[in-house]
Amino acid sequence: AQSVTQLGSHVSVSEGALVLLRCNYSSSVPPYLFWYVQYPNQGLQLLLKYTTGATLVKGINGFEAEFKKSETSFHLTKPSAHMSDAAEYFCAVTLTSGTYKYIFGTGTRLKVLA
Amino acid sequence: DTGVSQDPRHKITKRGQNVTFRCDPISEHNRLYWYRQTLGQGPEFLTYFQNEAQLEKSRLLSDRFSAERPKGSFSTLEIQRTEQGDSAMYLCASSPSDRGPYNEQFFGPGTRLTVL
Repeated sequence: AQSVTQLGSHVSVSEGALVLLRCNYSSSVPPYLFWYVQYPNQGLQLLLKYTTGATLVKGINGFEAEFKKSETSFHLTKPSAHMSDAAEYFCAVTLTSGTYKYIFGTGTRLKVLA
Repeated sequence: DTGVSQDPRHKITKRGQNVTFRCDPISEHNRLYWYRQTLGQGPEFLTYFQNEAQLEKSRLLSDRFSAERPKGSFSTLEIQRTEQGDSAMYLCASSPSDRGPYNEQFFGPGTRLTVL
């Protein structure tokens, strides 16, 4: 069975500091991985995804993530945090056949301090 | 592209009442998903439609829950005899099917249900 673990339900960083949100997955087959962001009272918005190919994936708003098979990780980073990055972030893995439903982590709420 | 829409955005009901939510996916998307998100948790899969066919239901979906997608366009999720434990955000997502798992899902804003 596939699963996702997000370490740290709350992360605080100063404006301009590095953002690092952790995601580890468990999958018996090569996974497809996604990061979504959820702003208050809004739906989930895709930040980036890994399917095949390059393991360093660039997304919107300056975010990127690196797929590391040996570490079963897909951590999300951004070099310099902005106040507008404050939101909840979800890592998800999808089945590679059938319904392609998502298995989500429990989320990390990012707070950006002025 | 108007995105995925959900109606209502908020619903407050009393325990034991029935409620129905609607989801309008992006028009060319034939895959439709329902998820439930409770406080402090990530969204959990409830059910999936390919066009009008409901192809998978989670064990989370008790017999009080029913979902339909009658013409392969909009979908409804009905909860009968609501319980306080049904209080959650109900999310709908859609996706095209032409590239399988390469396609991301597009999420609506959700319907927040509060059962008193």
